[in-house]
Amino acid sequence: AQKITQTQPGMFVQEKEAVTLDCTYDTSDPSYGLFWYKQPSSGEMIFLIYQGSYDQQNATEGRYSLNFQKARKSANLVISASQLGDSAMYFCAMSLYNNNDMRFGAGTRLTVKP
Amino acid sequence: SQTIHQWPATLVQPVGSPLSLECTVEGTSNPNLYWYRQAAGRGLQLLFYSVGIGQISSEVPQNLSASRPQDRQFILSSKKLLLSDSGFYLCAWRTSGGYNEQFFGPGTRLTVL
Repeated sequence: AQKITQTQPGMFVQEKEAVTLDCTYDTSDPSYGLFWYKQPSSGEMIFLIYQGSYDQQNATEGRYSLNFQKARKSANLVISASQLGDSAMYFCAMSLYNNNDMRFGAGTRLTVKP
Repeated sequence: SQTIHQWPATLVQPVGSPLSLECTVEGTSNPNLYWYRQAAGRGLQLLFYSVGIGQISSEVPQNLSASRPQDRQFILSSKKLLLSDSGFYLCAWRTSGGYNEQFFGPGTRLTVL
């Protein structure tokens, strides 16, 4: 079964600086997708970015980019030019192509300081 | 466009009482549907998922059950709630197959007293 690990319970970043949130995964299946979600204090889960295991380039979505290192089985989220509204919980998730479920990491709480 | 609804938004129930949480999806057909539970300050625990009407996969043995009576309706139930059932329950959908992201409902905050 696949496993997702987020080793940073909490992170702090100064407004306008970049921050990297770590995510490692474990699977023997070659076909999978990696996802990042943001959960503000309201509780809603907001999809941020996706990376497929066969994608040659790192995914980017606005200020979000995914640093995908397949050999190291890591999929770190990079947020550039942090804003106060980026303060939230961030979850990394993985889904196998031939499976229907999605597994989530424990999450990282990001706090952006003014 | 697709939307996902959950109700109620909040619920306070006594131990031993029954539970019924409902989730419906609009704007798509034959979605995969999911129930997650999130304890305070923790990650998401997958409880059940369904790939079609009447098809339920259970991930964690517990006193909860799920049903999918219609294509876009997913219900989470319990006959007798435990204190440990307290948490934030999230319903989600995704299109079947491939590398698709999940879309989440607004959640139900359940407190069992």
